[in-house]
Amino acid sequence: QKEVEQNSGPLSVPEGAIASLNCTYSDRGSQSFFWYRQYSGKSPELIMSIYSNGDQEDGRFTAQLNKASQYVSLLIRDSQPSDSATYLCALFSGGYNKLIFGAGTRLAVHP
Amino acid sequence: GAVVSQHPSRVICKSGTSVKIECRSLDFQATTMFWYRQFPKQSLMLMATSNEGSKATYEQGVEKDKFLINHASLTLSTLTVTSAHPEDSSFYICSARGSIRREQYFGPGTRLTVT
Repeated sequence: QKEVEQNSGPLSVPEGAIASLNCTYSDRGSQSFFWYRQYSGKSPELIMSIYSNGDQEDGRFTAQLNKASQYVSLLIRDSQPSDSATYLCALFSGGYNKLIFGAGTRLAVHP
Repeated sequence: GAVVSQHPSRVICKSGTSVKIECRSLDFQATTMFWYRQFPKQSLMLMATSNEGSKATYEQGVEKDKFLINHASLTLSTLTVTSAHPEDSSFYICSARGSIRREQYFGPGTRLTVT
């Protein structure tokens, strides 16, 4: 089992809809989780961090964490074509002192 | 968010030459820096982790003598690709993390083409 699993997509949503991106992880001891956005040909950009169970909101983005289910999600409200990118889920591994990334989910928002 | 810069953004070099890429944290002290490589349509691949003042820790399969990493200060790390070959052509991205928070910020990347 991979340490961080994401559906590769593409996830296609119409403009204005809510995009829901999901991520599961295997290390029950993980405490810190991150969502990065990567446009094609560009480097990843940190968009959300979440450390405790529940929701964390920032503008149109909401990160949700459920440690019991080992599940992290990212909701993007009012999706725009400019949100079309690959979204990477990551967790911090204290044992390895590094981020463990999922393979990413490609999101396509169509007008 | 914190800002990480990289220089150069793009470099073309001849096979057999060496190339140095600089990574700077502009508004925070980066106790740990990371170097990644990404081939087209593939996932990020971590090459090495470096802590300021210490030798870098390389991931399995990464040649430490070919990819020289120096993290001499809390704001600067360099990656030198020695005796570059066409198969080293890739997108190299650095990332930095401070001492307190776990957030890791990426530089804009350097696209290396070896002819």
